[in-house]
Amino acid sequence: GAVVSQHPSWVICKSGTSVKIECRSLDFQATTMFWYRQFPKQSLMLMATSNEGSKATYEQGVEKDKFLINHASLTLSTLTVTSAHPEDSSFYICSARDIEGYTFGSGTRLTVV
Amino acid sequence: AQTVTQSQPEMSVQEAETVTLSCTYDTSESDYYLFWYKQPPSRQMILVIRQEAYKQQNATENRFSVNFQKAAKSFSLKISDSQLGDAAMYFCAYRTRGAQKLVFGQGTRLTINP
Repeated sequence: GAVVSQHPSWVICKSGTSVKIECRSLDFQATTMFWYRQFPKQSLMLMATSNEGSKATYEQGVEKDKFLINHASLTLSTLTVTSAHPEDSSFYICSARDIEGYTFGSGTRLTVV
Repeated sequence: AQTVTQSQPEMSVQEAETVTLSCTYDTSESDYYLFWYKQPPSRQMILVIRQEAYKQQNATENRFSVNFQKAAKSFSLKISDSQLGDAAMYFCAYRTRGAQKLVFGQGTRLTINP
C-alpha cells in the first residue's frame, strides 16, 4: 500500500529558532498533501492543504508566516515552523491523497524549549 | 459547514466481545465518503474502513463493519471479537466527493480489558 514518510519523528529546538518537517510519499505521487496539528487527547486539526507547484491553502486562524509550507515536488512537502515558541510545541502530522484515500505520516513531536 | 460528532469520548470492552462506536455527521451533500481511522499509542493513523455514500451496502473489513444510515446521517463502527491490539483512539471522518480535505470527529478512546 501507499507509504508516507515523515521526518523527523521528534525534535527539540530552542525558542526563536526554525524547524523543518519533511513529508514524503514513497511509492506514489501526491499532488495534494495536508498538514495537521494534534494536541494531547484531541482530534486532528487541519492547518493547511498543500498543492504541488502552488501556494498552500491555510485554514482560518493559522499563521501563514509562522507555518511555511512548500510542496515543490510530487513526492515532498515541507512544513517549517519559523521563530518557534513554546506554544508551538505539539504533534504535527502530514497526510497525502492517494488512490484509496489518504495515507498519513507517522507524525513529528515538536518540543520548543 | 460539515461537522462530524462522536458522542462517546471513551469506551471499553472485554476482550473477545463486540463494541460499537458511534458517529453522526451533518451535511447537505448527497455524495460523500465516510471513514474510520484508528490511532494506536504509536500515533500512526491507520485506515480501518471506508464507505461511499452512494453504496447502500455496509462496508466490512474482517472484524470491522459499519452501520451506515444515510437518512439518519449515522455511521457507526462495530468491532467484533475485540483484541488487545484494537485499543486505540478511533476517529470518524467525512469528505464531500468534490472536496479535498477530511473533516474529523473528536475521537473515541477504546480500551480493551483482558
